[in-house]
Amino acid sequence: GDSVTQMEGPVTLSEEAFLTINCTYTATGYPSLFWYVQYPGEGLQLLLKATKADDKGSNKGFEATYRKETTSFHLEKGSVQVSDSAVYFCALRSNTDKLIFGTGTRLQVFP
Amino acid sequence: DAGVIQSPRHEVTEMGQEVTLRCKPISGHNSLFWYRQTMMRGLELLIYFNNNVPIDDSGMPEDRFSAKMPNASFSTLKIQPSEPRDSAVYFCASSWVQVQNTEAFFGQGTRLTVV
Repeated sequence: GDSVTQMEGPVTLSEEAFLTINCTYTATGYPSLFWYVQYPGEGLQLLLKATKADDKGSNKGFEATYRKETTSFHLEKGSVQVSDSAVYFCALRSNTDKLIFGTGTRLQVFP
Repeated sequence: DAGVIQSPRHEVTEMGQEVTLRCKPISGHNSLFWYRQTMMRGLELLIYFNNNVPIDDSGMPEDRFSAKMPNASFSTLKIQPSEPRDSAVYFCASSWVQVQNTEAFFGQGTRLTVV
C-alpha cells in the first residue's frame, strides 16, 4: 500500500544552519505531496505542497521539490531559526483520497 | 471560518468507560479524517469519510472503536470500553475531496488519558 518514510529525529541544529529532512514515498498513480508542521500542543498546519512531478513547494523559506524519479520530497531551508523548532511531517494524498503521514521528524534549533 | 473544531480538548476517564470525541469540520468540506497520535506509533489514520460515507476504516484498531458522521457538519469517534493503551492525542481533519491536491486542515486535537 501507499506509504511515506522520513528520516528519524531529532535533528539538532544551530541557528542559521542549513536544514534537510529526507522524505520518500511509495504510491500507485500520482499522489500529491505535503509537508506539515506541528508546534507543541497544537494540531498540524500545512507548510507547503506539490501536486505533480518537478513542482516545487515553498513557504516561509522552506522548499521541497517533487521528484518522481527518486520518489522523494525532501524538505530544505537555507538558514533555520529557533522559531522553526517543531515536528515536521511528510504526507501524501493518494488516488483514493487517503492522506497518509510519515512518522514525523523533530527539529531542535539552538541559538 | 473557525477552522476544524474538536471537543473536548482534554479527557481523562477510567478504564472501561465509554469515551466520545467530537469533531466539527470546516463548512463546505466534504472529506473528514480521524487520526491518533502517540510517541510510539506516530500519526495513524483511523478512518476517513467522503460525503459522510466511511471510505476506509482499516486503521480502526479494534471493535471497541467506532466512528460516525451523521451529517456534513459533525462526526464522532467512540471508544467503548476504553483501555489505558488508548491514551493518545486524537486529531480530526477536513478537506475538499473533489480535488486531490487539496490539503487537509486539522483541529487542535483531543488529549485522551485512560487511567
